[in-house]
Amino acid sequence: KQEVTQIPAALSVPEGENLVLNCSFTDSAIYNLQWFRQDPGKGLTSLLLIQSSQREQTSGRLNASLDKSSGRSTLYIAASQPGDSATYLCAALNSGGSNYKLTFGKGTLLTVNP
Amino acid sequence: GAVVSQHPSRVICKSGTSVKIECRSLDFQATTMFWYRQFPKKSLMLMATSNEGSKATYEQGVEKDKFLINHASLTLSTLTVTSAHPEDSSFYICSASGGRGGYEQFFGPGTRLTVL
Repeated sequence: KQEVTQIPAALSVPEGENLVLNCSFTDSAIYNLQWFRQDPGKGLTSLLLIQSSQREQTSGRLNASLDKSSGRSTLYIAASQPGDSATYLCAALNSGGSNYKLTFGKGTLLTVNP
Repeated sequence: GAVVSQHPSRVICKSGTSVKIECRSLDFQATTMFWYRQFPKKSLMLMATSNEGSKATYEQGVEKDKFLINHASLTLSTLTVTSAHPEDSSFYICSASGGRGGYEQFFGPGTRLTVL
């Protein structure tokens, strides 16, 4: 059974700082790993999806890396802004019998202070 | 990108009533739809997976008679919470996959259910 852990659970940084969010997973037989953003009371916004054959993906100030063998992924946010404040979730996609199952971590609550 | 909608976005109901939540894929055919539940400050928990035209596959611990899922078409899935109780109050999110998106799931905006 896949388990996804995110560290830290919460993070507060001043504006402009570069930061790293960590995600680890127990079952390395993943198809992909995805990072999401969730604002309070809202749904999920997909940020980056890394296929199992890839090492990293970049979008603007965001960079996500994947090390399947060690069961780790990191989300790097450069030059953080107050608008980046949200909960960041990572999720690993595995085969679940006849379907594919996405397992989520509990998230990292990020606060960027102006 | 692929768009998934949910309706309603928020619903308040009395204990004992049933509530239906709709999930629609607006610009692609969703061969598979997923229903998740999220408790405050907790992660998303998969409740069930449904393939169009087939019965839903429920995760362990999820009552299939309590949470009825129908996936009658490639663009619509519904979740009905039957005889709702206060402990069913939660944030319900659906996702859909299929078409050129492959295994990627596209998420709806969620439905906040409050049972009084």
